[in-house]
Amino acid sequence: LAKTTQPISMDSYEGQEVNITCSHNNIATNDYITWYQQFPSQGPRFIIQGYKTKVTNEVASLFIPADRKSSTLSLPRVSLSDTAVYYCLVGARYNQGGKLIFGQGTELSVKP
Amino acid sequence: GAGVSQSPSNKVTEKGKDVELRCDPISGHTALYWYRQSLGQGLEFLIYFQGNSAPDKSGLPSDRFSAERTGGSVSTLTIQRTQQEDSAVYLCASSRTSGSGTGELFFGEGSRLTVL
Repeated sequence: LAKTTQPISMDSYEGQEVNITCSHNNIATNDYITWYQQFPSQGPRFIIQGYKTKVTNEVASLFIPADRKSSTLSLPRVSLSDTAVYYCLVGARYNQGGKLIFGQGTELSVKP
Repeated sequence: GAGVSQSPSNKVTEKGKDVELRCDPISGHTALYWYRQSLGQGLEFLIYFQGNSAPDKSGLPSDRFSAERTGGSVSTLTIQRTQQEDSAVYLCASSRTSGSGTGELFFGEGSRLTVL
């Protein structure tokens, strides 16, 4: 299983771009990289998924270098409501093999 | 239902009592996961179901914990003889195991367990 490492916490201000990097040195060939967001007292929810290069949706962008040993979640122009914990998860797109292990997550605090 | 449903949302129990936590996954999702999240901590994997089978129970912290899934749908996590260290939020997630989408996990809102 690919272990992930993220910064434990990050601070930002409203309107700034935030980049959270996740390291996953032993990612497997068929692994995808998926990011989740968790607000207090809620379950995590899907933000974005990618395999290589760049993926963009209405919420975020995901940058994955050619060696795929890391990935960067980019949140453009954050607001106070983006304060949450962000988890990077590495695994098969359709997991049939067992456990999916989340890393410790990055607690993002957005200040006015 | 439209999403993953968990019950009860809150449970307060006395040390030594048994508790049952229920998860109703999204219809058609064959994979089901239980995670535990202690206050201020990350997600601790407990058990994974593929259909009614649990090929990976490696995360269950002790033999006081057990889980089952019936009909490829509803799952129950049972904690016997609860201890104070069992206090946490228990999260259930489900996902597809094939298709053309992302295979993402859909989480319920969790069951908050407090053991006095």
